[in-house]
Amino acid sequence: KNEVEQSPQNLTAQEGEFITINCSYSVGISALHWLQQHPGGGIVSLFMLSSGKKKHGRLIATINIQEKHSSLHITASHPRDSAVYICAVFRGGGADGLTFGKGTHLIIQP
Amino acid sequence: DGGITQSPKYLFRKEGQNVTLSCEQNLNHDAMYWYRQDPGQGLRLIYYSQIVNDFQKGDIAEGYSVSREKKESFPLTVTSAQKNPTAFYLCASKRYGDQPQHFGDGTRLSIL
Repeated sequence: KNEVEQSPQNLTAQEGEFITINCSYSVGISALHWLQQHPGGGIVSLFMLSSGKKKHGRLIATINIQEKHSSLHITASHPRDSAVYICAVFRGGGADGLTFGKGTHLIIQP
Repeated sequence: DGGITQSPKYLFRKEGQNVTLSCEQNLNHDAMYWYRQDPGQGLRLIYYSQIVNDFQKGDIAEGYSVSREKKESFPLTVTSAQKNPTAFYLCASKRYGDQPQHFGDGTRLSIL
């Protein structure tokens, strides 16, 4: 079983829909990251959070440390949101580097 | 503008050859990382370095080597010992501690 599991693997939605991507992890962490990867391959960091909720524009990320679960929400989705969204955890405590989920491939149709 | 530069974007290698992927950052970050991405799999850590002249193996270091002679640079060499080198390689960096990682645009390596 992977240490970081994302769902769904693929998601196609219509423009304007509310999108939710889920991430569950099985290890202790000091922080969780949400990343966005566009077709060219470059990755952009969207959020880093260790508790509660963060919001940036139409994106909202939440984390529940007790349940080891995080969600990424996109409000009023737009075709330009089409990308792969990746959840990654940082274990800290001397274990460096991130452990990644396999990603959620999101397509927003006009 | 500060950022991470990976070059080249596409790289082709003949079997049996070593090849070096470049990663340069001007963010004054302390730590640098190399990840490998294969279709249908999450990124996996190859090597990382938290300080100049020091580096550590990640989860899949076999067949790879790195150096960290300067803070800004962390080149990755894919050696002929790496039996399946075709993949997308991403370099990242961050400040020391619980800080977000910044990623380059990646290098796609293919075997001829």
